[in-house]
Amino acid sequence: DIQMTQSPSSVSASVGDTVTITCRASQRISSWLAWYQLKPGKAPKLLMYSTSVLQEGVPSRFSGSGSETDFTLTISSLQPDDFATYFCQQAYSFPHTFGQGTKLEMK
Amino acid sequence: QVQLQESGPGLVKPSETLSLTCTVSGGAITSYYWSWIRHSPGKGLEWIGNIYYSGSTNYNPSLKSRVSISIDTSKNQFSLKLTSVTAADTAIYYCARAVGYNGSRNDYWGRGTLVTVSS
Repeated sequence: DIQMTQSPSSVSASVGDTVTITCRASQRISSWLAWYQLKPGKAPKLLMYSTSVLQEGVPSRFSGSGSETDFTLTISSLQPDDFATYFCQQAYSFPHTFGQGTKLEMK
Repeated sequence: QVQLQESGPGLVKPSETLSLTCTVSGGAITSYYWSWIRHSPGKGLEWIGNIYYSGSTNYNPSLKSRVSISIDTSKNQFSLKLTSVTAADTAIYYCARAVGYNGSRNDYWGRGTLVTVSS
C-alpha cells in the first residue's frame, strides 16, 4: 500500500491567515491526489483533485500543488467556515489510502 | 443534487456481521463507482473499497477477507457487509460516489453513520 503522511497533524490560525498543509506519498503517484474537508456531523467535502483542480463550488482561496511524492494544500485568507480537518488521498493505486489528517483550529 | 444516506444498525456485537446500505437519490447509480470509507479516531480515514455499477469491486487488502460490497441498481442502493467484527471496526462509516479513473475521487458523500462494536 502507498502510505500518505500529512503534516502538521494540527495547526492553529486566525481568520485572514494563510495556512499550508503538506502531504507526502511513500512512492510516486504522479498527480493522483485529492483533498477533502471533514466537519463533525456533516458530509465530507471534496476540495481538490488531480493535485490542483478545484472542485466545482469550492472557493478559489483553496489551492493545491505538487507532483509525484510531495503535495501541498494552501488556504489563503482563512474564513470561519474553513476550520475543520483536512485529509489527502492518493488514487494512483488501490487501496486509495488517506493521510492521517490535519486539524485546523482557530487561534 | 445527488444525495447519499447510510442506514443500518448502530450497534453490532463482536464476531457478528456489520451490514450497511447506502441509498442514492437525485441521480442515477449507473455509470459511476460507489465507495465505502470509514473514520475512526485511532486510524483516521480508511478506504474500505468501491464497486462499479456493473458489479466489479475493489477492496482494501487489509479487510479483503471480511468485506463484501454489492449493488442493486433497481433500488439505487449499494451495500457493505463486514464479517467477524471486533472493537477495531468501531467507526463512522461513509458512503460516497466516486468519479474519475477507477473512482479516483469521491465527490458526493453521505453524512456518515456511527457503528459501535460492543457486546
